Amino acid sequence: AQTVTQSQPEMSVQEAETVTLSCTYDTSESNYYLFWYKQPPSRQMILVIRQEAYKQQNATENRFSVNFQKAAKSFSLKISDSQLGDTAMYFCAFMKPYNQGGKLIFGQGTELSVKP
Amino acid sequence: GAVVSQHPSWVICKSGTSVKIECRSLDFQATTMFWYRQFPKQSLMLMATSNEGSKATYEQGVEKDKFLINHASLTLSTLTVTSAHPEDSSFYICSAEDTPDYGYTFGSGTRLTVV
Repeated sequence: AQTVTQSQPEMSVQEAETVTLSCTYDTSESNYYLFWYKQPPSRQMILVIRQEAYKQQNATENRFSVNFQKAAKSFSLKISDSQLGDTAMYFCAFMKPYNQGGKLIFGQGTELSVKP
Repeated sequence: GAVVSQHPSWVICKSGTSVKIECRSLDFQATTMFWYRQFPKQSLMLMATSNEGSKATYEQGVEKDKFLINHASLTLSTLTVTSAHPEDSSFYICSAEDTPDYGYTFGSGTRLTVV
């Protein structure tokens, strides 16, 4: 069975600074997807970034980027130029391809506070 | 992008009554939808996979007779909490996607309080 671990329950960062959230996972699969989701105080889940396991290139979405280390089973999220609106719970998630089940498996979450 | 609508946003019910939560895909057809439960400051726990036209698949430990799921059309799945008790109070979220490998879209969630 797959597991996802986020070892940082809480983090804080000053506005405009950079912060990195850690995530490790365990799987015997070779083809899968990894995601970071954001859940602000409204509790609406928002997709931040997506990585395909068979792509070595790290995904980037504006101020958000990942460091995907497949051999180490590590998938960290870097947020650059942190903004107050980035304050939220962040969840790392693993998923097998849809045609193999497609269920999201979430980590425990990291609560990020961006301070002015 | 895909839009998933969930209603109601919040509901208060008396112990022993049943509550229905709806999850709709607004601009796509969803063969599969997922239902999650989330306690404060905790992660999302997958409860069941809702399959259009067939029985839902429940995760281990989830009472299928308490949490009834119906996926009668390609755009609507419902979760009914039957004979609700205070311990069923929680935040329930659904998800769906027309291109799942690109990441699921989530409904806005339903806060259920049983008194």
